Parts: sequence; C-alpha cells; structure tokens
Amino acid sequence: DAGITQSPRHKVTETGTPVTLRCHQTENHRYMYWYRQDPGHGLRLIHYSYGVKDTDKGEVSDGYSVSRSKTEDFLLTLESATSSQTSVYFCAISEKGFIVPSDYTDTQYFGPGTRLTVL
Amino acid sequence: AQKITQTQPGMFVQEKEAVTLDCTYDTSDPSYGLFWYKQPSSGEMIFLIYQGSYDQQNATEGRYSLNFQKARKSANLVISASQLGDSAMYFCAMRETGGSYIPTFGRGTSLIVHP
Repeated sequence: DAGITQSPRHKVTETGTPVTLRCHQTENHRYMYWYRQDPGHGLRLIHYSYGVKDTDKGEVSDGYSVSRSKTEDFLLTLESATSSQTSVYFCAISEKGFIVPSDYTDTQYFGPGTRLTVL
Repeated sequence: AQKITQTQPGMFVQEKEAVTLDCTYDTSDPSYGLFWYKQPSSGEMIFLIYQGSYDQQNATEGRYSLNFQKARKSANLVISASQLGDSAMYFCAMRETGGSYIPTFGRGTSLIVHP
C-alpha cells in the first residue's frame, strides 16, 4: 500500500471557521492532488501540486487554497468554511504525473479520506 | 459534456457469478489511459486495473479484467467469480495526454454481491 495518510480523518466545524486538512506521503512522489467526493458527482479535483511550491487549480477550486512546502506534505485550507463544503476529501499521489506529456500511464494512489462536516 | 460515463448507478450480482460494470469515455486524444478504482464502504479508494489506449490486449489483474473496445470508446470492468467482499462503489477514470493530464472520474457504480 502507498504510504499516504490524511489528518484529521473526521472533522465537524462551524460555518465561517478556517479549516486545514493535511495529506502526508512517504513515497517521495512529486505529484499530489486534493479531490472532494459528493454523492452523484464522483471525484472532483480541487487543486493539485507538481512540486514543492508548485500548485494549480482544479475544476472546483473556489473557496479552497493549498500549500506545499515539503515534498511529503500537501495542505488544503478552507479559509471560511461553508455548508456546501461538507464532503469527503481525498488526497492522492502519483509518481510521474505529467513530466512527459505523452505518458498517460501514471497511476494515482489515494489516502483514506477526511470526512468534513460544516454546520 | 462528461468525459467518463458510468450509466449503471447500481448493480446486483449473485456470489460466484461474473459481473460487468460499464464505462464509456469521450476523448479526441490518440493516447490515453483508463483506470478502475474500488471504494468499499470503509471509504478508501483502491486502484484495480489500468488499460492504455495502445495496448493490444485487454488488461487483467486476477479476477478483474478490462473489456476494452476502442472503437466504441468503452472500457468495461469484468469481475469474475464475484465475492461478498466485492460489494463496493466502482469508479472508472481516464487520463488524457491533452489538457492537464489529470484523470477525470466517472460518478461510479454501486455493486452489491448477494450470497
């Protein structure tokens, strides 16, 4: 199993409060991703990182920010949580990402998920 | 438009029987990869199988095989000899070489295996 942990695993917070989720990997993979999973929507990409301090937005990035100061850690921050951000959040890692644009074989491995409830 | 379509929200199968989970995709890239993941009730996402667009043979991993029909743009997952532990959500995903190269996921199919 890929060494990916997420913390916290469960969190309940109130609207308007800041929340930070942490993803930690021991695989030394360059690429890291944050997804959210909601019923009927599958997995949707929030942000991703292609190296230390290199990040970019995904399809549902509004209201979220990320930071990556070390290879092993990728933080997702909700600056002011809203009820619409109640979801299960998954971190994923991959080794090759898009170093070589024609290489589509890169496989993502996922963390255990964080269940966030915003009241 | 959805790039990955999983039309079966829920499937039921008898233990020890085979089951096929459908996945169709939409891309204009000649090079792409197709992935299947399993999500049991415990929540983790487990990588199952991968198929490349140029692979001549269908991918197989133990009881999992991928029925890849390129012309029809379908990449169905076949689970042989179903087990109770196969009950889970199953997600199909595609990575293209155009755009951001980050996989796009379907909405998933729930599989329940009956004893």
